[in-house]
Amino acid sequence: AQSVTQPDIHITVSEGASLELRCNYSYGATPYLFWYVQSPGQGLQLLLKYFSGDTLVQGIKGFEAEFKRSQSSFNLRKPSVHWSDAAEYFCAVVGTGTASKLTFGTGTRLQVTL
Amino acid sequence: DAGVIQSPRHEVTEMGQEVTLRCKPISGHNSLFWYRQTMMRGLELLIYFNNNVPIDDSGMPEDRFSAKMPNASFSTLKIQPSEPRDSAVYFCASSFKQGAIYEQYFGPGTRLTVT
Repeated sequence: AQSVTQPDIHITVSEGASLELRCNYSYGATPYLFWYVQSPGQGLQLLLKYFSGDTLVQGIKGFEAEFKRSQSSFNLRKPSVHWSDAAEYFCAVVGTGTASKLTFGTGTRLQVTL
Repeated sequence: DAGVIQSPRHEVTEMGQEVTLRCKPISGHNSLFWYRQTMMRGLELLIYFNNNVPIDDSGMPEDRFSAKMPNASFSTLKIQPSEPRDSAVYFCASSFKQGAIYEQYFGPGTRLTVT
């Protein structure tokens, strides 16, 4: 069965600092990977996705993520965080043979200090 | 594009009452998903439909929960009778599924409180 681990429950960074949120997945074949962001009281918004090809993918709001098969990771990065990036971030995976079922990690809550 | 629409946004009800949550997917999308989010369990997939047909309902907690999709533009999730442990945020998401590649778009959610 597929699974996703987000080891950091809560991260605090200063505005303008760089950010990296960790995501590790478990799936036997090639996964499809996603990062979503959830602001307080809101639904989930898709930041970026990886299906195939270039392992460094660009998303909205200046985010990027790198797929590393050897490490089973799909870490999310941003060079300079803005206060408006404070939110909860979810990594998700769908396996090619799992009939479309997205499996989410437990989320990482990002706090941005001014 | 109005996005996925859910109603109501907030629902407070008493234990034992019937609750119906509604979802309108994005026009043209052929898959619809119902999720539940709680602090304890995170995001859980309850059920999903493809072309209005339920494909996997293994996440539905118990018989008190039922979901329907009578047409491509509307779905309901019903809880009868409701219990305090059903208190959660319920999300609907839709996608256009071609083969195995797709991405899901989420609605704003319905916050359900059962007292």
